Amino acid sequence: SQQGEEDPQALSIQEGENATMNCSYKTSINNLQWYRQNSGRGLVHLILIRSNEREKHSGRLRVTLDTSKKSSSLLITASRAADTASYFCATSGTYKYIFGTGTRLKVLA
Amino acid sequence: EAGVTQFPSHSVIEKGQTVTLRCDPISGHDNLYWYRRVMGKEIKFLLHFVKESKQDESGMPNNRFLAERTGGTYSTLKVQPAELEDSGVYFCASSHSGFNQPQHFGDGTRLSIL
Repeated sequence: SQQGEEDPQALSIQEGENATMNCSYKTSINNLQWYRQNSGRGLVHLILIRSNEREKHSGRLRVTLDTSKKSSSLLITASRAADTASYFCATSGTYKYIFGTGTRLKVLA
Repeated sequence: EAGVTQFPSHSVIEKGQTVTLRCDPISGHDNLYWYRRVMGKEIKFLLHFVKESKQDESGMPNNRFLAERTGGTYSTLKVQPAELEDSGVYFCASSHSGFNQPQHFGDGTRLSIL
């Protein structure tokens, strides 16, 4: 099984609603990061949260980290059609990242 | 600053041929990484350079894959000979030194082996 697993695999919401995605991992980490990928493009870095942090905000994004449960969540508030993309968590114990298969988010206008 | 650039964006070759992918990291980033996403699977780590040295190549699938980073600037990933299972998207990323530095990714090279 893989280190980072996102839940749900796919999510469809209306514009203006909030979207929550979860990530679980198995081993100890230095940090956890969330990335966004638009179709056919590269991964865009969203937020990095360190293992000693519990919550981080960036604009409409809120990330939480619970190292005791080995899980993280990404909340996108007041979603927009432009938020439609795949979202990945990546965990890092050293330099290499371990990715999950991602959550496909579709925001309907 | 310019982001990570990869070339080509798409390559279609026949089984048995050779392909070379190129990655130009963000200027000043000592760390350079290669990842790969095979259809339907997760993005997987291939290897990590610090400057021109291979720090970790534990993810390289087999000896048909050769990565280089001459002079610690751009990197190439050569597949020779290519096999059908090598099809996928190859991503390059770079970062500053330090465990908690974000990795910045390029748009990837989509490799199709026929």
